[in-house]
Amino acid sequence: IAGITQAPTSQILAAGRRMTLRCTQDMRHNAMYWYRQDLGLGLRLIHYSNTAGTTGKGEVPDGYSVSRANTDDFPLTLASAVPSQTSVYFCASSEGPPGAPGYTFGSGTRLTVV
Amino acid sequence: AQKVTQAQTEISVVEKEDVTLDCVYETRDTTYYLFWYKQPPSGELVFLIRRNSFDEQNEISGRYSWNFQKSTSSFNFTITASQVVDSAVYFCALSGMSGYSTLTFGKGTMLLVSP
Repeated sequence: IAGITQAPTSQILAAGRRMTLRCTQDMRHNAMYWYRQDLGLGLRLIHYSNTAGTTGKGEVPDGYSVSRANTDDFPLTLASAVPSQTSVYFCASSEGPPGAPGYTFGSGTRLTVV
Repeated sequence: AQKVTQAQTEISVVEKEDVTLDCVYETRDTTYYLFWYKQPPSGELVFLIRRNSFDEQNEISGRYSWNFQKSTSSFNFTITASQVVDSAVYFCALSGMSGYSTLTFGKGTMLLVSP
């Protein structure tokens, strides 16, 4: 079934540890995105990538890094996790602008930093 | 800069009541898309509707209807005869049409429908 796979589905992480959230899509979409969802704040864009080899910063990029070595994968790395990074993280992809057909979200990764 | 405001943080209704979720947006773009997503307790994001700024016609899909008014920058969502399964967080979102525009979300409205 075509779509986005995020891993892990949930994780408890000690503060100061490094963590990579994985995101893989099999739809050959050009654009990919990482959002974080926090209660009362909705979803906020962390980083995005319009095509393989390019990335850009979203609204809340600090403390996160991304890479886009190929079309399918868009990992999100927390170099040294802090409790404020406790959140639900959603990966998404789109063939073009979000209004175009095929803007798809993954099922999310619930991360708790203690 | 784009902004989406969902002033209602939480709404509680009794089953079969009608309920309207408000969404007001700000954008400098002359063309844009508006969206509604549903997030049930299971956590996934479910796409409900996309509306482009060219089309101000209201839309109805079963018990759901959407009222888009460009003059007031609003894109409100009404659920008729609500059901317990409608209980969820609902997000309104906005994006531009050019290039690879990103989605800007509102903070969400939690809808609780009790039997």
